[in-house]
Amino acid sequence: DPKIIQKPKYLVAVTGSEKILICEQYLGHNAMYWYRQSAKKPLEFMFSYSYQKLMDNQTASSRFQPQSSKKNHLDLQITALKPDDSATYFCASSQEGDNNQAPLFGEGTRLSVL
Amino acid sequence: GQQVQQSPASLVLQEGENAELQCNFSSTATQLQWFYQSPGGSLVSLLSNPSGTKHTGRLTSTTVTKERRSSLHISSSQTTDSGTYLCAIESGTGGYKVVFGSGTRLLVSP
Repeated sequence: DPKIIQKPKYLVAVTGSEKILICEQYLGHNAMYWYRQSAKKPLEFMFSYSYQKLMDNQTASSRFQPQSSKKNHLDLQITALKPDDSATYFCASSQEGDNNQAPLFGEGTRLSVL
Repeated sequence: GQQVQQSPASLVLQEGENAELQCNFSSTATQLQWFYQSPGGSLVSLLSNPSGTKHTGRLTSTTVTKERRSSLHISSSQTTDSGTYLCAIESGTGGYKVVFGSGTRLLVSP
């Protein structure tokens, strides 16, 4: 069973619309992250949350807003979508303080903005 | 900020051959990991190796911290090893901000 669930797996949106990408982890981790992978670019860090508080933000546009309603949830709301937002968005989690543990990644949500 | 460079960008092997992947990073890393990204896109951690040499199965990673480089050796490659290998460095303060390289795309043919 997947331990990090991302929904939906695929998402098509029109320019200017708003979407929410869902992420839930069932690993008991205290830290969650969002990464983005665009075509021909490396995976880029976007946000990290620890105990539901923002720890680090890679100066993502304010159109990208993480939302943590529960400690094992970190959703990503994207408003005023643009074609350049098309990418695969990966959620990850880890136990902060355990330096030997790499973050575990979800399967990603592939977003296409038309 | 931290930069991570990987080489080669792509590699084609015949099954059974060995592969050597390189990762160079611009500043001291407290944590270094190698990830595998499948052709379908999912990411799996292979090895965590901030310094020294580590083995797991057919994989061997050697990190020389002072020289800011790490290598991943894949022995006796198999077609199922095909995919992208990513080197990632922990960077930033607080949280767990990982900076990824662009990856080495490996294709192993039968």
